[in-house]
Amino acid sequence: KNEVEQSPQNLTAQEGEFITINCSYSVGISALHWLQQHPGGGIVSLFMLSSGKKKHGRLIATINIQEKHSSLHITASHPRDSAVYICAAHTGANSKLTFGKGITLSVRP
Amino acid sequence: DTGVSQDPRHKITKRGQNVTFRCDPISEHNRLYWYRQTLGQGPEFLTYFQNEAQLEKSRLLSDRFSAERPKGSFSTLEIQRTEQGDSAMYLCASSPSGRAYEQFFGPGTRLTVL
Repeated sequence: KNEVEQSPQNLTAQEGEFITINCSYSVGISALHWLQQHPGGGIVSLFMLSSGKKKHGRLIATINIQEKHSSLHITASHPRDSAVYICAAHTGANSKLTFGKGITLSVRP
Repeated sequence: DTGVSQDPRHKITKRGQNVTFRCDPISEHNRLYWYRQTLGQGPEFLTYFQNEAQLEKSRLLSDRFSAERPKGSFSTLEIQRTEQGDSAMYLCASSPSGRAYEQFFGPGTRLTVL
């Protein structure tokens, strides 16, 4: 069992839909990242959370430490949101990241 | 802010050859991480430097792999006697002192071993 798991693996949505991507982890963490990766490889950090909720534009991230679960929500989705979304947890003394496999999101116009 | 840069962006090599990748972190970031991402998978941790000291290595880092950060600035990752299984995206990330949870990623080096 992976230490960080994401669901669903692939997701297709229609433009304008509300999207939720889930992440669960089985280890103690210091903080959790939501990352976006476009074709070609570049990774951008969307959020870093250790508790509660954060919002940036149309994106909202929440984390429940007790349940070891985090969600990324996208409101009013747009085709430019199409990307791979990766959940990554800071584990260990050196703050290295343990990554989920990522979810491929396709938003259709 | 020039961001984290990696060179080359793409490398195609034949099995058995040696390759070296370079990562330039954001200036004054003292922490530097190397990760590897194979197709369809999330990245996996390879190794970590704090300044010039290599403080952690994953068991994924076989004896064919070596990483250095000689002056605490740029880092190199060398793979000797490449194998087809080494084909992957090699990602570098850096973070500033006191803010280890903020990792900034480079664009990656995509390695293809024929």
